[in-house]
Amino acid sequence: GQSLEQPSEVTAVEGAIVQINCTYQTSGFYGLSWYQQHDGGAPTFLSYNALDGLEETGRFSSFLSRSDSYGYLLLQELQMKDSASYFCAVRNSGNTPLVFGKGTRLSVIA
Amino acid sequence: GAVVSQHPSRVICKSGTSVKIECRSLDFQATTMFWYRQFPKQSLMLMATSNEGSKATYEQGVEKDKFLINHASLTLSTLTVTSAHPEDSSFYICSARRTGPTNEKLFFGSGTQLSVL
Repeated sequence: GQSLEQPSEVTAVEGAIVQINCTYQTSGFYGLSWYQQHDGGAPTFLSYNALDGLEETGRFSSFLSRSDSYGYLLLQELQMKDSASYFCAVRNSGNTPLVFGKGTRLSVIA
Repeated sequence: GAVVSQHPSRVICKSGTSVKIECRSLDFQATTMFWYRQFPKQSLMLMATSNEGSKATYEQGVEKDKFLINHASLTLSTLTVTSAHPEDSSFYICSARRTGPTNEKLFFGSGTQLSVL
């Protein structure tokens, strides 16, 4: 089976940088993904890391260290609209479904 | 980008009735779709994997006779909650995996909020 750990809540100031960590335990590993979900909405894909290192997409970056079973999502220049829940997710193999962490609720304050 | 359409967005029903939720991939063929359930402020719990033309694969603890899944075409999967009870009230979300270079990205429907009275 798989298990993922991420902080339940994070609060940050508008314009700041915030990092959301995720540690995972899985029998196999087929990459770490991040999804954003606003209240009442559907999750939307943010990023995917299959290899170690940093992936940057605009204000968002994601990092993976497979040897540490650890990754993080970095959000820069925070905006109020970034207030949402962020989920890390992993798969055992290419044919298995995504398993999500419990999510981190990010609140951006003025 | 790829779009997944889910209907209805909200349904209120009496206890004992059945509710059908549809999930459609609008601009791509999805051989595999996934059904998740989510309680308020909690994570997405995988219920089952829906495979086109074959039986769904249910996660441990999910009653297959309670949650009927049909994936009759490459663009449509349905989840029927049979004989719904108040404890079935939840947010149900479908997702589809697009095969090819972007197959690591799941596309989600907008979800269905089910309230059983």
